[in-house]
Amino acid sequence: AAGVIQSPRHLIKEKRETATLKCYPIPRHDTVYWYQQGPGQDPQFLISFYEKMQSDKGSIPDRFSAQQFSDYHSELNMSSLELGDSALYFCASSLGPNTGELFFGEGSRLTVL
Amino acid sequence: AQKITQTQPGMFVQEKEAVTLDCTYDTSDQSYGLFWYKQPSSGEMIFLIYQGSYDEQNATEGRYSLNFQKARKSANLVISASQLGDSAMYFCAMREGMDSSYKLIFGSGTRLLVRP
Repeated sequence: AAGVIQSPRHLIKEKRETATLKCYPIPRHDTVYWYQQGPGQDPQFLISFYEKMQSDKGSIPDRFSAQQFSDYHSELNMSSLELGDSALYFCASSLGPNTGELFFGEGSRLTVL
Repeated sequence: AQKITQTQPGMFVQEKEAVTLDCTYDTSDQSYGLFWYKQPSSGEMIFLIYQGSYDEQNATEGRYSLNFQKARKSANLVISASQLGDSAMYFCAMREGMDSSYKLIFGSGTRLLVRP
């Protein structure tokens, strides 16, 4: 069965650069979530989208922005990267924001040098 | 205050034995959901089991069962017949308010090591 696809799986950037992570939800899933997991930390909710509209916002820095497109895929844009942005970024999807299970992708590992 | 507390940073279990991973939670919502995820060293987050606050029966999924004690606000994960492949990080998570989106709050995790 198709799962949540994230790309790239690994990304290395330097400080002050920008990075874009992409997430392709499970087919028919209309809700996408972004989580950030720092080294040795638990995942922290960043932001979510339902039907292309932002549905909830967590601890997402102002340097980050995200959107969901008409095909339901989502992109997380990170600018002015800092060393502390090095983390595993998870995308997850669900069928609607209130029903069903939440399925995670395999994550995109960002390293900022 | 911590919403999800996992008091065991690390645990060992002998292969084929059962193990219980502790999780307590704190919420004032009447409606909430509790999840357990497994994170192997490769990093992906694998859904294991879910318990809704109104579910009267403890959730079970194969070798995984959730010991839900609502009055004590605990949602311990029981893994029966441990296998070497069970060695991983295990996260307990909560979703507050069933009308809200999946803004999960995670605990700090328990690292389980299964000994042969």
